[in-house]
Amino acid sequence: NAGVTQTPKFQVLKTGQSMTLQCAQDMNHEYMSWYRQDPGMGLRLIHYSVGAGITDQGEVPNGYNVSRSTTEDFPLRLLSAAPSQTSVYFCASSYWGSGNTGELFFGEGSRLTVL
Amino acid sequence: KNEVEQSPQNLTAQEGEFITINCSYSVGISALHWLQQHPGGGIVSLFMLSSGKKKHGRLIATINIQEKHSSLHITASHPRDSAVYICAVRSGGGSNYKLTFGKGTLLTVNP
Repeated sequence: NAGVTQTPKFQVLKTGQSMTLQCAQDMNHEYMSWYRQDPGMGLRLIHYSVGAGITDQGEVPNGYNVSRSTTEDFPLRLLSAAPSQTSVYFCASSYWGSGNTGELFFGEGSRLTVL
Repeated sequence: KNEVEQSPQNLTAQEGEFITINCSYSVGISALHWLQQHPGGGIVSLFMLSSGKKKHGRLIATINIQEKHSSLHITASHPRDSAVYICAVRSGGGSNYKLTFGKGTLLTVNP
């Protein structure tokens, strides 16, 4: 099992450019989510999904778009990058069973710089 | 006020010392996670618990639901334990499921 795979690991963008961060998991997890990690802020939820075809907004969704067409993949799209989106992004997944329990599995992170 | 508060923010210890990191939260939760992040590295799940106590090697996690408090203990600390330890709580239900993270505790263990 590869676990949770995130790509790219590093990316530099210019303001206004668009890009997609890829996240794939091979554990058949229903729940997938995207977070950003900024100094002094902790991890903040951007978007999440509890299954294919279902997505919802988290704490900081503005400027980001997601879709969940398959159980395995949950890409995060930056529509028009802004310097405020400079951050480290993490994708995470878990089982979505009764009682909402499940260990979290994280990708290795993607460091994005917007100039 | 952050819904999840960790203390201390920074902790320096000598190798072999017993370490305690605390996490307090203000909302009703269904589960609590303890995570570890090495500098420049990814995030690894250490524990997920909803009651009582769990132990894995030198790590012990406890939770008191009534007091809305959890602790992570490291016995016989080692320099390789140096990392940021993050507490996260699950709240809500169904599609309103929510994970809220603390800001982390930076642990440095000196040899």
